[in-house]
Amino acid sequence: DTGVSQDPRHKITKRGQNVTFRCDPISEHNRLYWYRQTLGQGPEFLTYFQNEAQLEKSRLLSDRFSAERPKGSFSTLEIQRTEQGDSAMYLCASSLAPRTGELFFGEGSRLTVL
Amino acid sequence: AQSVSQHNHHVILSEAASLELGCNYSYGGTVNLFWYVQYPGQHLQLLLKYFSGDPLVKGIKGFEAEFIKSKFSFNLRKPSVQWSDTAEYFCAATGGGNKLTFGTGTQLKVEL
Repeated sequence: DTGVSQDPRHKITKRGQNVTFRCDPISEHNRLYWYRQTLGQGPEFLTYFQNEAQLEKSRLLSDRFSAERPKGSFSTLEIQRTEQGDSAMYLCASSLAPRTGELFFGEGSRLTVL
Repeated sequence: AQSVSQHNHHVILSEAASLELGCNYSYGGTVNLFWYVQYPGQHLQLLLKYFSGDPLVKGIKGFEAEFIKSKFSFNLRKPSVQWSDTAEYFCAATGGGNKLTFGTGTQLKVEL
């Protein structure tokens, strides 16, 4: 499968713990996006990269969230000191510039904070 | 603030019925519009897109959408739905940048 892959698919953690999600985009795609989705809501933008540069970050994103894309390929999203409100599906998507808006999504990583 | 709104949260139709899902956006200037679909147990995928030109765009599986600038709308239509169209549908937009903003989604259930 040459689509976007995310790992892990499910993560259950206790409040206060740190978690990290990984995303491997489609290999030739230079843009990578992270979204968060909760029940009954559409995907909410968190951040995006073009190659290794993080070009935009949502103002709603807490300082506990950090994302990296060190070599312009895979990306990681880390959440420090998790809270119950962080429970959500974390979606990764990739695209090929300049095709704005044409995103290819992964299956998502579901986080449950107890 | 830029936003996308979908007013129908849940829609139930019988097979062969016609479908129209509403989408409105609030953006100034240039806007690119999209519909994404998420079938049960699958990832989000692009259904159709509008950048410019003919305001009536056609997508996969017989879906189409019409961009009406004066109404800030981009409604999704299908003349005759099938059971396999059961899914969640998201309208989305970009407004000059590279950030895609989604609506809250419409859950469509098609009954046999």
